[in-house]
Amino acid sequence: QKEVEQNSGPLSVPEGAIASLNCTYSDRVSQSFFWYRQYSGKSPELIMSIYSNGDKEDGRFTAQLNKASQYVSLLIRDSQPSDSATYLCAVNLPASGNTGKLIFGQGTTLQVKP
Amino acid sequence: DVKVTQSSRYLVKRTGEKVFLECVQDMDHENMFWYRQDPGLGLRLIYFSYDVKMKEKGDIPEGYSVSREKKERFSLILESASTNQTSMYLCASSSPSGREDTQYFGPGTRLTVL
Repeated sequence: QKEVEQNSGPLSVPEGAIASLNCTYSDRVSQSFFWYRQYSGKSPELIMSIYSNGDKEDGRFTAQLNKASQYVSLLIRDSQPSDSATYLCAVNLPASGNTGKLIFGQGTTLQVKP
Repeated sequence: DVKVTQSSRYLVKRTGEKVFLECVQDMDHENMFWYRQDPGLGLRLIYFSYDVKMKEKGDIPEGYSVSREKKERFSLILESASTNQTSMYLCASSSPSGREDTQYFGPGTRLTVL
């Protein structure tokens, strides 16, 4: 069983729509959750982190965490063609102590069509 | 802002050569990581280090070694490059005392082994 699972996509949405990206994880004691955006040929850049159940909003981005369901999602409102990228979900690995190891999903490719 | 730099963006080497990939971070982070990223396989952890001179194997350490003589610098070494090591190599750093486990990535090195 994969530790962090994402639908690889591609997820295609029209410009201006809401894009919803989902991620499930297997380690019940994980505490830190991250969404990274990666443009083709570039390195991942952090979009949002979330540590508590509920919603966290930052501009057009909202991260949602449900620890009971082991589920974290990213909503992108008013999607723009510039949002077209691969989105990586990452979860910390408490068993690794202070080493800072994260487990990454394989990523969901988002296509925003003008 | 956190800055992680990698010595080369693109590198072409021949089979059997010894290859050094350098990574430097300027945020006094304790933890540093080397990943490789291949289409369809996602990010795979090669080695990581949680302190100077400390290193641990990741998921795919075979054919690689690392060196961390100074806190800010983490080097990945391919002792004898092979064509199956052609990949994008990404370095990241994090601090257990900072935003919990957030990893910051360098720009990546695209290595081609001929």
